[in-house]
Amino acid sequence: IVLTQSPGTLSLSPGERATLSCRAGQSVSSSYISWYQQKPGQSPRLLIYGASNRAAGIPDRFSGSGSGTDFTLTISRLEAEDFAVYYCQHYGGTAPLYSFGQGTKLES
Amino acid sequence: EVQLVESGGGLVQPGRSLTLSCTTSGFTFGDHTFNWVRQAPGKGLEWVGFIRSKGYGGTSEDAPSVRGRFTLSRDDSKGIAYLQMSSLKTDDTAVYFCAREIRYCSGHTCYRYFDSWGPGTLVTVSS
Repeated sequence: IVLTQSPGTLSLSPGERATLSCRAGQSVSSSYISWYQQKPGQSPRLLIYGASNRAAGIPDRFSGSGSGTDFTLTISRLEAEDFAVYYCQHYGGTAPLYSFGQGTKLES
Repeated sequence: EVQLVESGGGLVQPGRSLTLSCTTSGFTFGDHTFNWVRQAPGKGLEWVGFIRSKGYGGTSEDAPSVRGRFTLSRDDSKGIAYLQMSSLKTDDTAVYFCAREIRYCSGHTCYRYFDSWGPGTLVTVSS
């Protein structure tokens, strides 16, 4: 299943609200949608699983939503540390079993 | 503290082989499936494959791009997952991450995601 993230790059300022989109090529189970944050030179960090469940230690300014083919990661009030690349991921059960979106770069 | 550390990366010529290790600590290794994900320079994340826990058969699955060339295995007594790569191509140049998979069901809803990642190891395939 192809995941398409938009926009490719999002330019915002601290304090603003960020809305990142992930669209699946066909309807998928929301329980298998996850979001990750990756900063330069670092490994990805789990933010959201099951489309809307925050991972341990993730601030509540991060939230996920969606169903079917359209999923959204929202950062309510951007902080300086939030500028990074964000990936959505899906477990599909058919090859390739996991797929990632191409990423959205959130820049200041 | 949950820790995963990849090792074994380096410079290798096309057509040669290389084995990566993912050494873990801080949790019960045998309870988990381990995934490998790679990232070519300046590119996004690509799933490579996983090795299931013994409880789910201990078998592996991989992406079409590496099928027949890469082999995933695990040593539960040592807490290490392996990625054996053969017939390497220049397109295999990437940072390779291992990631612990969480898999559980709550009622009728099942979840799968990667909750912990290693820092990655760079594999460069070049003559």
